[in-house]
Amino acid sequence: KQEVTQIPAALSVPEGENLVLNCSFTDSAIYNLQWFRQDPGKGLTSLLLIQSSQREQTSGRLNASLDKSSGRSTLYIAASQPGDSATYLCASTGTASKLTFGTGTRLQVTL
Amino acid sequence: ETGVTQSPTHLIKTRGQQVTLRCSSQSGHNTVSWYQQALGQGPQFIFQYYREEENGRGNFPPRFSGLQFPNYSSELNVNALELDDSALYLCASSPDPGLDEQFFGPGTRLTVL
Repeated sequence: KQEVTQIPAALSVPEGENLVLNCSFTDSAIYNLQWFRQDPGKGLTSLLLIQSSQREQTSGRLNASLDKSSGRSTLYIAASQPGDSATYLCASTGTASKLTFGTGTRLQVTL
Repeated sequence: ETGVTQSPTHLIKTRGQQVTLRCSSQSGHNTVSWYQQALGQGPQFIFQYYREEENGRGNFPPRFSGLQFPNYSSELNVNALELDDSALYLCASSPDPGLDEQFFGPGTRLTVL
């Protein structure tokens, strides 16, 4: 059974800092790894999707990496802004096409 | 292109009642998945529908059931509601099951009293 863990559970940084969010998974037989953003009480916004054959994906200030052999993915956010404050969730896709989510990292970027 | 939509936005029910939640998938998407997200937790997979057939189910009891229609919209039905069913219910659509990116709707907040 796939288990996904995210560390840290919460993070507070001043505006402008670069930061890294971590995601680990127990079963390396994944099809892809997806990072999401969730604002309080809202749905999920897809940020980046990394296929199992890829090592990383970039979108603007976001860069996500995937190391299947070690069961890890990281989300790097450059030059953080207050608007980046949200909960960030990672999820792996395995068999049965279901996403298995971590519990998220709650990020607060302060002025 | 219209994104994934869900209705209603909020819902309050009492224990033992039944509820139906609705989801319209993104244009061109034939796969719909449903997730339950309890407060402070990550979403949990309920089930997936692909071309009107169930295509995988998570660890949820049979009182959670679903449908997918020919236009690929979907319903989630929950019978005999329990207090622990209070959660945000999320619907996601994708072009095909498996490798594709999943796109989520805004969710339905269900409160069971």
